[in-house]
Amino acid sequence: DTGVSQNPRHKITKRGQNVTFRCDPISEHNRLYWYRQTLGQGPEFLTYFQNEAQLEKSRLLSDRFSAERPKGSFSTLEIQRTEQGDSAMYLCASSFPRRGHEQYFGPGTRLTVT
Amino acid sequence: DQQVKQNSPSLSVQEGRISILNCDYTNSMFDYFLWYKKYPAEGPTFLISISSIKDKNEDGRFTVFLNKSAKHLSLHIVPSQPGDSAVYFCAATWIQAGTALIFGKGTTLSVSS
Repeated sequence: DTGVSQNPRHKITKRGQNVTFRCDPISEHNRLYWYRQTLGQGPEFLTYFQNEAQLEKSRLLSDRFSAERPKGSFSTLEIQRTEQGDSAMYLCASSFPRRGHEQYFGPGTRLTVT
Repeated sequence: DQQVKQNSPSLSVQEGRISILNCDYTNSMFDYFLWYKKYPAEGPTFLISISSIKDKNEDGRFTVFLNKSAKHLSLHIVPSQPGDSAVYFCAATWIQAGTALIFGKGTTLSVSS
């Protein structure tokens, strides 16, 4: 399977715990994006990387959120001190160089904070 | 302030008929528009797109129409099939930025046989 993959698919955690999600983009894609989707809403942009450089962050990305893409391949999104409002689907997408308008999404990680 | 709006939360259509999903946008900087389809517990799947230099793009049963003066686009599915039942998201971006896609809230399409 050469699509975008995300792990884990589901995560249940208690409020205050830290969680980390992983995204593996399509191998030829140098751009990687993180989005968050809550119930009844469309995906909302969080941040994006070109290779290992994080080039843009949304105001939705609070200080408790950090994303990395250390070698320009897979990426991790960490949420520290989770809150119930963090419960959402976290989506990763990737795109070819200079074709950032055509993004291919992974299956997402469903986070539930209890 | 929502820049991309899908004002119909749901649409029900009979199999074989046409489904028309609508989308409005407010930002005149947008120059590229996409439709994604999403099944429960899956990520959005790219369906069809259109550049602002065109007013129509067709791919099989799916056609997207763009009316720039009205800042409106629509997705036509003909003929509709039960497997088309899903949530459809309209998204917009500007190619030069190449970053965030701005999504609408989605329209749930139900196709009955």
